[in-house]
Amino acid sequence: RKEVEQDPGPFNVPEGATVAFNCTYSNSASQSFFWYRQDCRKEPKLLMSVYSSGNEDGRFTAQLNRASQYISLLIRDSKLSDSATYLCVVNVDNYGQNFVFGPGTRLSVLP
Amino acid sequence: GAVVSQHPSWVICKSGTSVKIECRSLDFQATTMFWYRQFPKQSLMLMATSNEGSKATYEQGVEKDKFLINHASLTLSTLTVTSAHPEDSSFYICSASASGDNYNEQFFGPGTRLTVL
Repeated sequence: RKEVEQDPGPFNVPEGATVAFNCTYSNSASQSFFWYRQDCRKEPKLLMSVYSSGNEDGRFTAQLNRASQYISLLIRDSKLSDSATYLCVVNVDNYGQNFVFGPGTRLSVLP
Repeated sequence: GAVVSQHPSWVICKSGTSVKIECRSLDFQATTMFWYRQFPKQSLMLMATSNEGSKATYEQGVEKDKFLINHASLTLSTLTVTSAHPEDSSFYICSASASGDNYNEQFFGPGTRLTVL
């Protein structure tokens, strides 16, 4: 089983739609979690960290379920500019940083 | 956010040559730098972690003698792909972190696209 798995995608949604991505991780000792977005042929950029209590940033909501080892990202009122690959990232190091990237889920928002 | 630069942004070389890629943190001191590789349609794979002034820690399966990493200062790390072969063609991305805290953000460089003929 891979350390971090994501919905395979791609997701093709119309503008204004709500879309949710799921991610599971295998290392129960993982401490920190992130969603990054990566545009084609570009570097990943941090979208948001994921906290135990869940967190929201504008149209984006991230949830963490430690018991199920599951992370989600919800995008509301999707925009054309949201089209990208969304990477679930898990830090498997308790004391430092060892980021494990999921394979990514590609989102295309259509006009 | 903090800025990380990489140079060159792309390089084409002949098989057997060595290629050096530089990663710089421009406006902060990076105690830790990371080197990743990404093949087409795949996710990023961590190659090695380096802390300033010490030897890099390589991930399993990554040859340290082939991928030489130097982290001589708090703002500069270099990756040298020695005797590059076509299978080394990939997108190499570095990232930098201001501290080793497990929730600290990693800032990514724009990547270097290496093509080995």
